[in-house]
Amino acid sequence: KQEVTQIPAALSVPEGENLVLNCSFTDSAIYNLQWFRQDPGKGLTSLLLIQSSQREQTSGRLNASLDKSSGRSTLYIAASQPGDSATYLCAVSGNTPLVFGKGTRLSVIA
Amino acid sequence: EAGVAQSPRYKIIEKRQSVAFWCNPISGHATLYWYQQILGQGPKLLIQFQNNGVVDDSQLPKDRFSAERLKGVDSTLKIQPAKLEDSAVYLCASSLAAGGGNTEAFFGQGTRLTVV
Repeated sequence: KQEVTQIPAALSVPEGENLVLNCSFTDSAIYNLQWFRQDPGKGLTSLLLIQSSQREQTSGRLNASLDKSSGRSTLYIAASQPGDSATYLCAVSGNTPLVFGKGTRLSVIA
Repeated sequence: EAGVAQSPRYKIIEKRQSVAFWCNPISGHATLYWYQQILGQGPKLLIQFQNNGVVDDSQLPKDRFSAERLKGVDSTLKIQPAKLEDSAVYLCASSLAAGGGNTEAFFGQGTRLTVV
């Protein structure tokens, strides 16, 4: 059974810092890994999708990496801004539909 | 392109009442998912449809939850009767396919259900 863990559960940083969010999964037989953003009371916004054959994806200030063999992914956010404050969720798709971690709640302080 | 549409956005009901949620996926997306997200947790899959057939409903509490996807497009999720522990956000998502390279999922805004 696929299990996804995200560390840390919460993170508070000053504006401008670079930061890394971590995601690990137990079953390496995945199709892809997605990172989502969730604002309070809102749905999920897809940030990045990494196919199982890829090592990383970039979008603006965001860079996600995937090491399938070790069951790990990281989301790197450069030059953080207060508008980046949200919960970030990692999810993997494989023989089962998307399985989510519990998320990392990020606060960027101005 | 229009995103995944869900309604209502919010619903408050008393325990033992019934409630229904509606979802319209992105046009052309064959796969539709319903997820339940309890406060502080990640979303948990309730049911997955491929066109109008059920692919996975192993985590759907079938004694009180039901879902259908008529004509392979819109879907409804029903709870009858509701319990206090059903209070959660119900998220609908869709993707082009269920496997391979087209499984990027797009989510709606969700329906926040409060059972009192």
